Amino acid sequence: GAVVSQHPSRVICKSGTSVKIECRSLDFQATTMFWYRQFPKQSLMLMATSNEGSKATYEQGVEKDKFLINHASLTLSTLTVTSAHPEDSSFYICSALTGQANYGYTFGSGTRLTVV
Amino acid sequence: KQEVTQIPAALSVPEGENLVLNCSFTDSAIYNLQWFRQDPGKGLTSLLLIQSSQREQTSGRLNASLDKSSGRSTLYIAASQPGDSATYLCAVRPSDYKLSFGAGTTVTVRA
Repeated sequence: GAVVSQHPSRVICKSGTSVKIECRSLDFQATTMFWYRQFPKQSLMLMATSNEGSKATYEQGVEKDKFLINHASLTLSTLTVTSAHPEDSSFYICSALTGQANYGYTFGSGTRLTVV
Repeated sequence: KQEVTQIPAALSVPEGENLVLNCSFTDSAIYNLQWFRQDPGKGLTSLLLIQSSQREQTSGRLNASLDKSSGRSTLYIAASQPGDSATYLCAVRPSDYKLSFGAGTTVTVRA
């Protein structure tokens, strides 16, 4: 149980376009989801906390107008990278708190974004 | 601010050897600690979760200990196999929901 599905796994887009990444909890309801960014050979950097039915909370230094987060249901959160630039190329991972005491957080499989 | 450090950054061992991965954290006021595995280009797979009241957790060949007062956790992997090659991440959860991650230990098990 406690599976998070992230889609797409890879995406290549042109500079100036927008890209949407989906994160779904398959077998549990996730009122809170998290979006991370990971640079090569580095650990995960929390970008924002996504709360169902309310505005996301962004970490310091993360542009909320560039990284739009929508959490319209208890099983789906989306991250839209708007007006993408090559420096936005990175690995993005979503996560959800399962609510199960012995399971903690579960993570999606990640999305490799390349902006050309 | 919670700082999480993982030592060593990289480790290469022959197959069959036991692995010892270390994680230290600066603020002992944690809710739990979780060990993850990450394969190249993939997401994170949860290995073990230790609540702050626990001293260790075991799953198969994996054993993780927690010494909250000294701010340390150790992940032991017995009888390593080439399939254990991956990056192992330690993450600490404080009283709120935000995980603090270490930079990870990249393990290579040589056949």
